[in-house]
Amino acid sequence: DIQMTQSPSSLSASVGDRVTITCRASQSISSYLNWYQQKPGKAPKLLIYAASSLQSGVPSRFSGSGSGTDFTLTISSLQPEDFATYYCQQSYTAFGFGGGTKVEIK
Amino acid sequence: EVQLVESGGGLVQPGGSLRLSCAASGFTFSSYDMHWVRQATGKGLEWVSAIGTAGDTYYPGSVKGRFTISRENAKNSLYLQMNSLRAGDTAVYYCAREGTYCSGGSCYGWFDPWGQGTLVTVSS
Repeated sequence: DIQMTQSPSSLSASVGDRVTITCRASQSISSYLNWYQQKPGKAPKLLIYAASSLQSGVPSRFSGSGSGTDFTLTISSLQPEDFATYYCQQSYTAFGFGGGTKVEIK
Repeated sequence: EVQLVESGGGLVQPGGSLRLSCAASGFTFSSYDMHWVRQATGKGLEWVSAIGTAGDTYYPGSVKGRFTISRENAKNSLYLQMNSLRAGDTAVYYCAREGTYCSGGSCYGWFDPWGQGTLVTVSS
């Protein structure tokens, strides 16, 4: 099985900050990597697919990069509505998720 | 509007069974692979099962042999039959549609949209 490791597991940031979340796969997954945002009590929402493609309707302050084993989700200027938990997901074999990164208000 | 609505969750004793349903609307259900994903309280997401448009099914080791995913295209419905339930199966269960994008000979998949989830509690 492919293991997905996210770091950090949590972070504190202020509105307007640039935030970077990292996801590492235990083996190469090319660009088969997605990012989701989840708010408390809600279902996850797709942000980025195929490592760097922005889902329709998602603000352009969200971006994804990487290929192979190392991937990054960047929020260029954190907004109040962005405080949430973020998950990466590989779709190379089956659909495993990372452990999540909780973005909290500083 | 594309929508997925889960139902069937509840309290069940260890060793018991439960059948979850997911009603789809707003899209051609038969044309999409579908998935179940679960999330224990305060924990991360765990992929539970998948079913292709041809009825092919896939499971992780944690539920293989105990859970069965199925679909009824005429009713735009997805199901998850859960048997031999354990305390560790307690979670919110989401159904999700698989989206696909193909480029340069590679096809990428993701989950969108998701339903609102249904809570399954396994406890005596």
